[in-house]
Amino acid sequence: AQSVTQLDSQVPVFEEAPVELRCNYSSSVSVYLFWYVQYPNQGLQLLLKYLSGSTLVESINGFEAEFNKSQTSFHLRKPSVHISDTAEYFCAVSDLGGAQKLVFGQGTRLTINP
Amino acid sequence: DTAVSQTPKYLVTQMGNDKSIKCEQNLGHDTMYWYKQDSKKFLKIMFSYNNKELIINETVPNRFSPKSPDKAHLNLHINSLELGDSAVYFCASSLSTGGGGYTFGSGTRLTVV
Repeated sequence: AQSVTQLDSQVPVFEEAPVELRCNYSSSVSVYLFWYVQYPNQGLQLLLKYLSGSTLVESINGFEAEFNKSQTSFHLRKPSVHISDTAEYFCAVSDLGGAQKLVFGQGTRLTINP
Repeated sequence: DTAVSQTPKYLVTQMGNDKSIKCEQNLGHDTMYWYKQDSKKFLKIMFSYNNKELIINETVPNRFSPKSPDKAHLNLHINSLELGDSAVYFCASSLSTGGGGYTFGSGTRLTVV
């Protein structure tokens, strides 16, 4: 069975500052990794994913995440945040086949202060 | 066009009532899911159907019964609602070939009073 730990429940940062949201996972098999974003009162949107290949993956709005197999981590980073990035961010993991159950971390609330 | 649509968006009901939430996807996906998000934002899978067949059934009270009439629809019926059922319920869909991640609906906020 897989599990995901997001080390920070809340991360406050100032606008235009860099940010890193931490995610560690546990699994006995190879996995796919995802970051989802949930804006207030909305559903979850896929931000980016790691399936295979290059360990650094990027989203269209400036976020990136790096898969580190030895540290079983998939931290999310952005070099300069904007007020509109205020949201809840969820790291998730699924195995490669079968039912592909997506297991989520507890979420990290990113708050951007002006 | 909305990819995964859920109805209703809000549902307020009294304890003991029976209610249903409907979900439809137009993405051509073959797998659909129900997730529950509690007041602390934690997301937990409840059920999953692949081509109308139940493939994931987590530890959920049997008052909850999913139904999938076809691979584009997955409904959730809840009997004898309890206060603890208050949560946001999300429907999602994906392709079983894997790797695409899920597409989520906008959620149904259920409040039991």
